[in-house]
Amino acid sequence: EPEVTQTPSHQVTQMGQEVILRCVPISNHLYFYWYRQILGQKVEFLVSFYNNEISEKSEIFDDQFSVERPDGSNFTLKIRSTKLEDSAMYFCASSGGSTQYQETQYFGPGTRLLVL
Amino acid sequence: KQEVTQIPAALSVPEGENLVLNCSFTDSAIYNLQWFRQDPGKGLTSLLLIQSSQREQTSGRLNASLDKSSGRSTLYIAASQPGDSATYLCAVSQFYFGTGTSLTVIP
Repeated sequence: EPEVTQTPSHQVTQMGQEVILRCVPISNHLYFYWYRQILGQKVEFLVSFYNNEISEKSEIFDDQFSVERPDGSNFTLKIRSTKLEDSAMYFCASSGGSTQYQETQYFGPGTRLLVL
Repeated sequence: KQEVTQIPAALSVPEGENLVLNCSFTDSAIYNLQWFRQDPGKGLTSLLLIQSSQREQTSGRLNASLDKSSGRSTLYIAASQPGDSATYLCAVSQFYFGTGTSLTVIP
């Protein structure tokens, strides 16, 4: 069964460093998402991406965040200058179809980011 | 701003029991509501997706209902099994998640 994959599974970085989290969505899906979950807290929406541009973003997704689909398979989240509070599990998700809200989302296993 | 609440936060039941998990939301203008399962340290697995125009969805032992006017959704699990032990999350319109209900099914 097709699945969303994410790399790395764990990343440790120093405060102020740039990190890039990578995701490979399901191949025929059209919508891509990033979420984060700080330990013990709710899953939080960051951004959705369709047709090579951001379709929705939350207040969390400020100028230090960016997303990119550099080729036909990868979807990346870049954090330019990490802060301690960016420590969280980051989940990528994808959904198929041409209408964003009518399709089931499939989540990857997550990347646990620790900022020291 | 949409607020999503799940009650109870934790639930422990003996195997074989039927159970109901609750999800409440404050703004009835939603696109959809999804129920997810999250195992410890893992990603989310979608269980059921209810469109805004629908009242319920069923998959196997799971049945989810949606009442937009009252801002409520329920997830009914029939004949619970130890393998159902996990955290169950509801998400409104793909943007707003609840804090989850941690379910333990005792053999």
